[in-house]
Amino acid sequence: AQSVSQHNHHVILSEAASLELGCNYSYGGTVNLFWYVQYPGQHLQLLLKYFSGDPLVKGIKGFEAEFIKSKFSFNLRKPSVQWSDTAEYFCAVTSAVGGYQKVTFGIGTKLQVIP
Amino acid sequence: DGGITQSPKYLFRKEGQNVTLSCEQNLNHDAMYWYRQDPGQGLRLIYYSQIVNDFQKGDIAEGYSVSREKKESFPLTVTSAQKNPTAFYLCASSPSSGTPYNEQFFGPGTRLTVL
Repeated sequence: AQSVSQHNHHVILSEAASLELGCNYSYGGTVNLFWYVQYPGQHLQLLLKYFSGDPLVKGIKGFEAEFIKSKFSFNLRKPSVQWSDTAEYFCAVTSAVGGYQKVTFGIGTKLQVIP
Repeated sequence: DGGITQSPKYLFRKEGQNVTLSCEQNLNHDAMYWYRQDPGQGLRLIYYSQIVNDFQKGDIAEGYSVSREKKESFPLTVTSAQKNPTAFYLCASSPSSGTPYNEQFFGPGTRLTVL
């Protein structure tokens, strides 16, 4: 069965601190990996995604994530957070199962950035 | 202005009543999804549809039903059999079926409260 684990459920950082949010998945086949963000009062939106090629992917607003296949991980990073990064972050994995796109989300990490 | 519309934003129902949540998209996407978002549990997949007149159960389909008679519409009915229906419901769509690397686009959500 496909699953996603996000280890940090609530993170509090000061502005300019570095951020790393953990995401591990379990699935034996080919996967595609996503990070979504939900800013307060806004829709969930895509932050970045990986499906092939360079395992280091860059997304919007200075975020990046690295796919490490041997560790089944896709951690999200940002060198210096801003107050506007306060949001909930979701890791997701998709795979093709029987011709359908199977999608699984992690439970989310709430990030609070203190000015 | 393309996007996903969910209505209403807030919905109140008495226990034992069925209620239908609306989801409409004008993005010409083939695939549509319903999720339930609860605090500390992330997004859990209820039902998904990769094409008109076809849909599949997700991880927590019990007590829910859907239909996909039109490409742009994917209504969700919360039946009286759903034991804990009070939640935030999110609808999403993605461009094509069977293509796992497509991102999902989310609606604003409907908060259902059963009294």
